[in-house]
Amino acid sequence: EAQVTQNPRYLITVTGKKLTVTCSQNMNHEYMSWYRQDPGLGLRQIYYSMNVEVTDKGDVPEGYKVSRKEKRNFPLILESPSPNQTSLYFCASSLLASGEQETQYFGPGTRLLVL
Amino acid sequence: AQTVTQSQPEMSVQEAETVTLSCTYDTSESDYYLFWYKQPPSRQMILVIRQEAYKQQNATENRFSVNFQKAAKSFSLKISDSQLGDAAMYFCAYRSETNFGNEKLTFGTGTRLTIIP
Repeated sequence: EAQVTQNPRYLITVTGKKLTVTCSQNMNHEYMSWYRQDPGLGLRQIYYSMNVEVTDKGDVPEGYKVSRKEKRNFPLILESPSPNQTSLYFCASSLLASGEQETQYFGPGTRLLVL
Repeated sequence: AQTVTQSQPEMSVQEAETVTLSCTYDTSESDYYLFWYKQPPSRQMILVIRQEAYKQQNATENRFSVNFQKAAKSFSLKISDSQLGDAAMYFCAYRSETNFGNEKLTFGTGTRLTIIP
């Protein structure tokens, strides 16, 4: 089954404690991206990756890091989480520039609470 | 930068009736895609319908259809024969066709749809 998986699904942590949210896709997609969803703001892009070892900032990258060492995985790293990073996080993937047939597949979301 | 506006934070409709959700966007580009995503209480993001800007014909998917007005930069979603399972948050989204390498979706703030039995 084609899917994007995220782990953990729920996480409560404290300010300053490093954490990683994993994202994995099994569709051989070149493109992967992270979004955060906040009430009244919709989803906003944090980082994206066009392929292995190619990553770039989205609209709200402050406080986040990513890496793309393997095509299937795109972890989101919070080196020193702060309460303003409490949010719902989504990973998404798609084929790159495949035209009108392109569909972005979203993971199930990770709800993060930073105390 | 492109922006997407959903001016209706909440909508409600009687079961089996028809409802229209509004979306407007701002762009200087001529080639782009527009989407409606559904987010049920499970929080999963589900693609409902897609529209290519170069196509004049409005997209339809079963009970879901859009009214795409390119000149007015308007992209509304019509849900016919509303069902209880349609209750969700609906997001309108824009994707540039010219932003090579970044398939970024720009989302609106969402419309919460309630279905009244």
